[in-house]
Amino acid sequence: ILNVEQSPQSLHVQEGDSTNFTCSFPSSNFYALHWYRWETAKSPEALFVMTLNGDEKKKGRISATLNTKEGYSYLYIKGSQPEDSATYLCAFPLRKTSYDKVIFGPGTSLSVIP
Amino acid sequence: DTAVSQTPKYLVTQMGNDKSIKCEQNLGHDTMYWYKQDSKKFLKIMFSYNNKELIINETVPNRFSPKSPDKAHLNLHINSLELGDSAVYFCASSQDSWLAGYNEQFFGPGTRLTVL
Repeated sequence: ILNVEQSPQSLHVQEGDSTNFTCSFPSSNFYALHWYRWETAKSPEALFVMTLNGDEKKKGRISATLNTKEGYSYLYIKGSQPEDSATYLCAFPLRKTSYDKVIFGPGTSLSVIP
Repeated sequence: DTAVSQTPKYLVTQMGNDKSIKCEQNLGHDTMYWYKQDSKKFLKIMFSYNNKELIINETVPNRFSPKSPDKAHLNLHINSLELGDSAVYFCASSQDSWLAGYNEQFFGPGTRLTVL
């Protein structure tokens, strides 16, 4: 059974604090890892697509790193703002011979307190 | 302009009915998808279509059938609705097959289906 796990499940931080959370995925047969931001009552929005070991991507105050050998990715938010409050999902596509599958992690719910 | 749109936003229906949810994308993408958000709020892929061809078919009941009249539309038809079908369904699209790994997906706003 292949699992994609995220930790912590939820996180409450004060405005201005920096924070980070983790996505763990199977280290074998790595293909790509996607990060999504999902605000309540909206739809998921892509943040990053990461494909290479050691990748580091940045978008504004949000950045992500990737370690495919040990099977994890970190998402960092610098100087959290209330508008960063959302659930952050990672997604791990698999490849199989007969059909393909993608697994979403359960998400980390971030609340930024003003 | 909405990139990926779904209708209706809310759908309340009786058990046993047949219903459809429509999805349209104006991004010129080649591939469209349907996801179900389950009771634990996990997103699970159901189907995808690339140029009118089904390229992913997760293990979903055959009461669910995707229909794509053209590249910009992928509708989800559900026969004989059951209580367990109640969920939020999301449509998405990407430039190419998502499993090429390099293309982000653009999601629609979701359709909340309630089966009574």
